[in-house]
Amino acid sequence: QSVLTQPPSVSAAPGQKVTISCSGSSPNIGNNFVSWYQQLPGTAPKLLIYDNSERPSGIPDRFSGSKSGTSATLGITGLQTGDEAEYYCGTWDSSLSAEVFGGGTKLTVL
Amino acid sequence: QVLLVQSGSELKKPGASVKVSCKASGYTFSAYDMNWVRQAPGQGLEWMGWINTNTGNPTFAQGFTGRFVFSLDTSVSTAYLQISSLKAEDTAVYYCAKGCGSGSYCFDYWGQGTLVTVSS
Repeated sequence: QSVLTQPPSVSAAPGQKVTISCSGSSPNIGNNFVSWYQQLPGTAPKLLIYDNSERPSGIPDRFSGSKSGTSATLGITGLQTGDEAEYYCGTWDSSLSAEVFGGGTKLTVL
Repeated sequence: QVLLVQSGSELKKPGASVKVSCKASGYTFSAYDMNWVRQAPGQGLEWMGWINTNTGNPTFAQGFTGRFVFSLDTSVSTAYLQISSLKAEDTAVYYCAKGCGSGSYCFDYWGQGTLVTVSS
């Protein structure tokens, strides 16, 4: 079981918007920044969002992040077939003294 | 540009050892932590720990002590992961990932991954 909880899968049509949730607790999301990663099939993860809502250079503004309390959300607008991937949230857990990840969410663009 | 290039796939027998390399370029190697992340077949990401590239001091996550070693060769900007007494359950893709720095717990660049297969 992952310390952070994500839905196993989400789906939406091209052009639509989708959100992916990431639920944690006080020692992790509640007190630390959240990051999000996109893993396209057969490739390494790629940083999409850091510090809850910041986008690295080169990441389109279709991707957004937010955090409230012990939960975080990744939003993707204007869905494209190329967005089909596994998405992971991650944060530091102060009790475990470890970086922890969610179990991953598979996005299907129908 | 920042690049992390890892060594190629490995096929090892149970009980053997393996050493995975991660060569960094495009940034000051000693200025950012290097992390290691494991992904078992069909599974999610699991953080193994990190190494301070300035001091060489490693930190291991729970479950990755004893058989795992992080090391550096700063002269060639390369980090290494060594696993000894390999078991079938060590079969996974291993990624090196550069820490974001500046107090942010994130990984902004990843190696392409190294598949380690442990099978008799």
